[in-house]
This record gives sequence, structure tokens and C-alpha cells, in this order.
Amino acid sequence: AQTVTQSQPEMSVQEAETVTLSCTYDTSESDYYLFWYKQPPSRQMILVIRQEAYKQQNATENRFSVNFQKAAKSFSLKISDSQLGDAAMYFCAYRSAGLSGGGADGLTFGKGTHLIIQP
Amino acid sequence: DVKVTQSSRYLVKRTGEKVFLECVQDMDHENMFWYRQDPGLGLRLIYFSYDVKMKEKGDIPEGYSVSREKKERFSLILESASTNQTSMYLCASSFAGAYSNQPQHFGDGTRLSIL
Repeated sequence: AQTVTQSQPEMSVQEAETVTLSCTYDTSESDYYLFWYKQPPSRQMILVIRQEAYKQQNATENRFSVNFQKAAKSFSLKISDSQLGDAAMYFCAYRSAGLSGGGADGLTFGKGTHLIIQP
Repeated sequence: DVKVTQSSRYLVKRTGEKVFLECVQDMDHENMFWYRQDPGLGLRLIYFSYDVKMKEKGDIPEGYSVSREKKERFSLILESASTNQTSMYLCASSFAGAYSNQPQHFGDGTRLSIL
């Protein structure tokens, strides 16, 4: 079974600065997908960024980028120019690729990092 | 935009009751999922379904069952609710595809309290 570890229960950053959230995972699979989800207080969980394990290039989405180190099984999220609206719980998640369940395998989540933005 | 709608935002039930949590998605997704979210534990998969009338156990299926009679609707059932099932329940859906990187889309969640 896969496991996902987020070692930082809480992080705090000044507005406009850069912050990096850590995520490591354990798997014996070679093909998989990694995701970062954001859950604002009392609001819906939304996708921030995704990464395919077979891609060496790190994914970027505007101010959000990842540092994907496959050999180290590490998948950190960098948020540049932090904004007040970035305050949320952030979850790292893993999903197997391949034919198991026709791709319907659920996500394996880390326990989350609570990100606080200081004005 | 994908819309995943959970029937209740907040629900209060009593121990021993049979509880139904309903979820509907409007994007013709093949896959649907039920997760439970608890502080300090993240989200844990209860059940998922990759087709109508098909279901698979997730990591914590004990005490729960599911029903998927129509493609757009996925119900979570607590056969006899217990206080340790007090939690936030999240429904999600996604397109199928063994090698698809399609993400799951989540509903707003149902905060269930069992008294």
C-alpha cells in the first residue's frame, strides 16, 4: 500500500513571500500521479497542480510549482508571491496509474498542511 | 464547470439510525468516491465505484455501504450509525481511464454528527 507523508502540520508565511510545502510518499510502483489539493476554510477542495510520474519536467501553474524528485519520492509545492487567498489546508495526494480498477483507484492523501498567510 | 453536489451540508442523527448521504455529479463521470475527513488524519477512502452497480471497498469500509443505481448518483449508507462515525464526508467524481491524469472533483462535504 502507498503512503503519503506531509511532515509540516502548519506553516506560516508573510504575504508576498515564497513558501514550500513538503510531501514524501512511499510506493513500489513506477507509474503514478501526484496531486496537490487546496481546501480553504469551509469551502470546497480544489485541485492546485498535478504531476505525472513519467514526466521529468516539474509542473507549474502560475504562482504554484512543484519540485518532483522521483528517486527520492519527494513532491514539494512552492507558492510564490503568497496571497491572503492562499490560506488553506493543502493536501498532497497519490494515485496509481495502470489498469487497476480502470483508473478508478481512489487517492491516498497526506494528513495536510495548514498554511497561514501573515498580512 | 464540474458540479458535485452533496445533499446536506450539515446533518445530525442519533446512534443506531440508518443514515443516507447522497451525492450527484453533472459531468457524466464514470468514477465516484466517498472519503471521510478527520482532523490530523487527512482524507481516507471509504468506497468507490467505477460504473453503475459496481463498487469497491476503500481503506475504511467497515460500518458503511454504498449504492450506485444511476451513473450520476452515488449514495453512502451508514447501516447503524455510531458516534465514531461523526466526521466530515466528501464525495468526489472523475473520468475513467487507466492512464488518465484526470483529477477528482469534490463536493462541499457533509458534516455529520452522530449523537
